[in-house]
Amino acid sequence: GAGVSQSPRYKVAKRGQDVALRCDPISGHVSLFWYQQALGQGPEFLTYFQNEAQLDKSGLPSDRFFAERPEGSVSTLKIQRTQQEDSAVYLCASSLAEYGIYGYTFGSGTRLTVV
Amino acid sequence: AQSVTQLGSHVSVSEGALVLLRCNYSSSVPPYLFWYVQYPNQGLQLLLKYTTGATLVKGINGFEAEFKKSETSFHLTKPSAHMSDAAEYFCAPVVQGAQKLVFGQGTRLTINP
Repeated sequence: GAGVSQSPRYKVAKRGQDVALRCDPISGHVSLFWYQQALGQGPEFLTYFQNEAQLDKSGLPSDRFFAERPEGSVSTLKIQRTQQEDSAVYLCASSLAEYGIYGYTFGSGTRLTVV
Repeated sequence: AQSVTQLGSHVSVSEGALVLLRCNYSSSVPPYLFWYVQYPNQGLQLLLKYTTGATLVKGINGFEAEFKKSETSFHLTKPSAHMSDAAEYFCAPVVQGAQKLVFGQGTRLTINP
């Protein structure tokens, strides 16, 4: 597609519920990133994929967070047993190359509210 | 470890005035440097980037930034502010050879009529 597509756009979850957030990157983009952006803050890195390989998951805040990209294209970020502190905008970005030289294209994000 | 500091969480200028948003990075190796803009309820849009070559970089919407290695800075400027420039701006370096962007806290730019 022309851009990075994320769905759903908005998600309200009850505390304790599991959620799945989808990212559809630009076709052919090798690298895919997930970021978490709390209200009034800059995005914080969560995890990085190069094709289907998850090369860096150092930013995942707990073992409740899990991400996958099984075929090297679409990625899913799953949050189990959601907590109020998980409320944030989750941004996905993709890049043509393995390294950042070409820049990164971001999706519009999924706003998760845990009530 | 790579880090970035954006001085001023909130900058307010008059329409037509100079815009200056400050960014300093800390890295032993000059990184790639990016400025992104975020409008309300939207994702991040790339304004400009520095990777190699000319240190003065021009971006979209009349913005430009100059990479100064000696000052470890990459400040964003625009000669004349427009109302449509009101948004959140993020500076983000990437260490060469690495992949992930490291974002600053952001600067909210307000334009006064």
